Amino acid sequence: QQPVQSPQAVILREGEDAVINCSSSKALYSVHWYRQKHGEAPVFLMILLKGGEQKGHDKISASFNEKKQQSSLYLTASQLSYSGTYFCGTERGTSGSRLTFGEGTQLTVNP
Amino acid sequence: DVKVTQSSRYLVKRTGEKVFLECVQDMDHENMFWYRQDPGLGLRLIYFSYDVKMKEKGDIPEGYSVSREKKERFSLILESASTNQTSMYLCASSWDEYQPQHFGDGTRLSIL
Repeated sequence: QQPVQSPQAVILREGEDAVINCSSSKALYSVHWYRQKHGEAPVFLMILLKGGEQKGHDKISASFNEKKQQSSLYLTASQLSYSGTYFCGTERGTSGSRLTFGEGTQLTVNP
Repeated sequence: DVKVTQSSRYLVKRTGEKVFLECVQDMDHENMFWYRQDPGLGLRLIYFSYDVKMKEKGDIPEGYSVSREKKERFSLILESASTNQTSMYLCASSWDEYQPQHFGDGTRLSIL
């Protein structure tokens, strides 16, 4: 079952913060986050495994709450280069490497 | 850097044709995947393979088949193309479920 991402779209000014949520109705083992710029391949951002960990690099971080079956991606002090569509991919621990992706969140950062 | 190469960026075929989409990865990855991407629907898994000659159905396998004769190559086959298969097709590969998936640039397929 496809995870639900919210919001579907968000528009920011450079320097503003954003949060993208990914929720599942099923128990999760891991959550992957990817960003896709227009006309390009999706690019890996980070993986979070169950255990409630938080990860981050640069000004992009994420958390995973396995009890709530939810992950959130935090973009801090956004830059123009953050624009793109963000996808979460969830894995239930029963299907090997298979991911089920959400519908995506379109993020636009304006000057 | 991992390289996943899809044979064509753009492809135009006719209804009823048999269509082959090819994907090659250069990192000896065990797992390979075919996704279909449509606006508002995200990435939907068609088929995946975790070893040579092994395949598993994804969420939308109807109308498609796959072939993996060599570890580095994973082919998607549209047995009899239909207009509702017009879409962007993305191939990906990974070591295992703890590692990222690496995507190719995609093939935009139009069925007329």
